[in-house]
Amino acid sequence: ETGVTQTPRHLVMGMTNKKSLKCEQHLGHNAMYWYKQSAKKPLELMFVYNFKEQTENNSVPSRFSPECPNSSHLFLHLHTLQPEDSALYLCASSALGGLVFVGTGELFFGEGSRLTVL
Amino acid sequence: AQSVSQHNHHVILSEAASLELGCNYSYGGTVNLFWYVQYPGQHLQLLLKYFSGDPLVKGIKGFEAEFIKSKFSFNLRKPSVQWSDTAEYFCAVNAPNQGGKLIFGQGTELSVKP
Repeated sequence: ETGVTQTPRHLVMGMTNKKSLKCEQHLGHNAMYWYKQSAKKPLELMFVYNFKEQTENNSVPSRFSPECPNSSHLFLHLHTLQPEDSALYLCASSALGGLVFVGTGELFFGEGSRLTVL
Repeated sequence: AQSVSQHNHHVILSEAASLELGCNYSYGGTVNLFWYVQYPGQHLQLLLKYFSGDPLVKGIKGFEAEFIKSKFSFNLRKPSVQWSDTAEYFCAVNAPNQGGKLIFGQGTELSVKP
């Protein structure tokens, strides 16, 4: 149990489908992240939310649409994906402090949602 | 831009062998450094971290890492590996003034043969 829960754990979708990934953290953190993990590549930071506000979009295609309704929940809405989008999508959370978003970088990860796009 | 480089993609060792995994980063300012581990089928979890102070940090399960600022390195070591150490290991760096985000290396897969 990591304190960060992701659902679904596995998802198979066609290129024309619309689906969503969900992440919930029970750690009282105020920052949440989406990372993409593909084989043999570094984890790619996709989005960062601090206090529900998106502070980073790392040049992610618009077919990925994040939503953060509150500090505990984070969604990744998926539509018209491509087969190369198949990967493990990791959610993470961390605590931030200070007037500017200063963090230690210590992230707590969920177990990931394994996405396969056919 | 920051980057993190892990030199070994796949390391195969026998039990009781010593381990050293290389990690170099490119960032000139103050950094926080991490090693995360991902056991098969499990989530990424923190192995150890360096924020400041003693450059030799000890983590869980007998792992340690040494921060050498002049070399921009943060290599992971363990004197005697076990089969249960089979996992993927990720080095990561955070610049505190850039929020909490982590920049990861590409990972090193460690296979320990019993």
